[in-house]
Amino acid sequence: SQQGEEDPQALSIQEGENATMNCSYKTSINNLQWYRQNSGRGLVHLILIRSNEREKHSGRLRVTLDTSKKSSSLLITASRAADTASYFCVSTGNQFYFGTGTSLTVIP
Amino acid sequence: NAGVTQTPKFQVLKTGQSMTLQCAQDMNHEYMSWYRQDPGMGLRLIHYSVGAGITDQGEVPNGYNVSRSTTEDFPLRLLSAAPSQTSVYFCASWRSALAGELFFGEGSRLTVL
Repeated sequence: SQQGEEDPQALSIQEGENATMNCSYKTSINNLQWYRQNSGRGLVHLILIRSNEREKHSGRLRVTLDTSKKSSSLLITASRAADTASYFCVSTGNQFYFGTGTSLTVIP
Repeated sequence: NAGVTQTPKFQVLKTGQSMTLQCAQDMNHEYMSWYRQDPGMGLRLIHYSVGAGITDQGEVPNGYNVSRSTTEDFPLRLLSAAPSQTSVYFCASWRSALAGELFFGEGSRLTVL
């Protein structure tokens, strides 16, 4: 169920800066989702973008999808210390494929 | 509304022991799955179920057994624990086939000595 790679593996930024994470996947998809995982907790759904969409916004989150390049990006604007977590992309084809995750640290 | 509940949160086993990780969801989801999460490897699918009485293997099924007698419950059994099964286990459920979000439990951290 692992067919995605995320870049960077780790990211450290100052509070207030923007954070960008990238995800690549291998197969054709129905949709792509992003999840957040706080340390020692389960994954929580953030946003879903369908294969026929190119960009989607939700609060401080902006997701883009380029199906020709099989890639997606997650932008978190005006980051906060509470955004410190691991972020995973999940591509959905005939099953769910998880990326390896980006560990984001937001320094207050 | 509790969502997905996993028990226990922590467990230490000796090699060769057996145990069951419990998973229950109260959202009436047809689909449920078990994943294991190891450092640097994301989540790997162990077993999944598309409805009561129906289960199938995922990417890493060896050493694990599942059953789905009710819509709500999806227990994961370790038949004879091995150190390679030391991991964090997550149960997830979702409503419709590959069209919606996954709901995860809080995880069960298993150590096999």
